[in-house]
Amino acid sequence: EPEVTQTPSHQVTQMGQEVILRCVPISNHLYFYWYRQILGQKVEFLVSFYNNEISEKSEIFDDQFSVERPDGSNFTLKIRSTKLEDSAMYFCASSPLRLPYYNEQFFGPGTRLTVL
Amino acid sequence: DQQVKQNSPSLSVQEGRISILNCDYTNSMFDYFLWYKKYPAEGPTFLISISSIKDKNEDGRFTVFLNKSAKHLSLHIVPSQPGDSAVYFCAASAQGNQFYFGTGTSLTVIP
Repeated sequence: EPEVTQTPSHQVTQMGQEVILRCVPISNHLYFYWYRQILGQKVEFLVSFYNNEISEKSEIFDDQFSVERPDGSNFTLKIRSTKLEDSAMYFCASSPLRLPYYNEQFFGPGTRLTVL
Repeated sequence: DQQVKQNSPSLSVQEGRISILNCDYTNSMFDYFLWYKKYPAEGPTFLISISSIKDKNEDGRFTVFLNKSAKHLSLHIVPSQPGDSAVYFCAASAQGNQFYFGTGTSLTVIP
């Protein structure tokens, strides 16, 4: 069964460093998403991506964040200069059509980012 | 600014009984609602959805009820099974825009 994969499973970085979180969405999916979940809090939408451009982003997704689909299979989230409050679980998701016109949004297992 | 709220952080139910998970929302523009289930160390997985034109959607043991006037939805699991033990998130969207998630309810089904 196809699945969304994410690497690494855990990333530890120093404050101020750049990190790149990687995701491989399901191959025939067209819409891609990043979410984050700070420990003990709700899952928060960051950004959606379609046709090689951002289609929607939340207020969390400021200039420190960027997304890219560099090679047709990977979907990356870059945080330019990490802050302590960026520590969270980051989930990538993909769907074949734009929600909510298609029910399922397939999530990856997440990358736990720890900023020291 | 919590547009979707799950006020019960945890719930314990005996196997075979009904589990009822609740979710409240504040934005009257929300027109699509989903429930996700999440096991530890895994991403959320889609469970069931409902659009605002309906008040009930059923899929096997899972039923979602929507009360638009109360801005409330609930997920019923009958009968509950130990494998249902997980964190359940409700999420809502307005006209296909970003989804807002609740904080989750941790369900424990006791054998």
